[in-house]
Amino acid sequence: SQQGEEDPQALSIQEGENATMNCSYKTSINNLQWYRQNSGRGLVHLILIRSNEREKHSGRLRVTLDTSKKSSSLLITASRAADTASYFCATGYNQGGKLIFGQGTELSVKP
Amino acid sequence: EPEVTQTPSHQVTQMGQEVILRCVPISNHLYFYWYRQILGQKVEFLVSFYNNEISEKSEIFDDQFSVERPDGSNFTLKIRSTKLEDSAMYFCASSELAVKYEQYFGPGTRLTVT
Repeated sequence: SQQGEEDPQALSIQEGENATMNCSYKTSINNLQWYRQNSGRGLVHLILIRSNEREKHSGRLRVTLDTSKKSSSLLITASRAADTASYFCATGYNQGGKLIFGQGTELSVKP
Repeated sequence: EPEVTQTPSHQVTQMGQEVILRCVPISNHLYFYWYRQILGQKVEFLVSFYNNEISEKSEIFDDQFSVERPDGSNFTLKIRSTKLEDSAMYFCASSELAVKYEQYFGPGTRLTVT
């Protein structure tokens, strides 16, 4: 398997707190992408980080990538109830190639 | 903002029947994909399509599956003889590739095989 596990599998926090989700993978990648999925709905692209990048920001999202440890983390700052969803990392092994998804982290943000 | 669209949103079919799932990728995108997600499981890659041919496919994408770009806008996934285990959410995605290779997903088609 090219993809490892995401942890935690489930995370419950209060509104205003930060949420951190981790993703590990097993073989060298070209890029890593994070997606959000609301229950039973489609996948919303959040952010892409390339293998030569270490950190990327987009609004309240911060993604880090450590290629030596083959891991990435997604930090959502100042969480809101609307952030409640499942979050997936997906690894890309070449430009335009398939994405391999993790099992996801189910985030619940309580108002 | 441009988005990937998929039709139908829900398809119910009987085992052994053929189904065609339709997608309209984002207009300037060059790479097209199909993924599926069985209920409660992870999203799985099925096939990628570039320059009017399959560029990569998974073990899931056997002879029962085919893809086509019948015109300049649509991208279809055909399952020739559906099985119960084909029940899943099927997602189409597209990517611009040239400079940006984020993959943007459609809302999915929920396929139920009875």
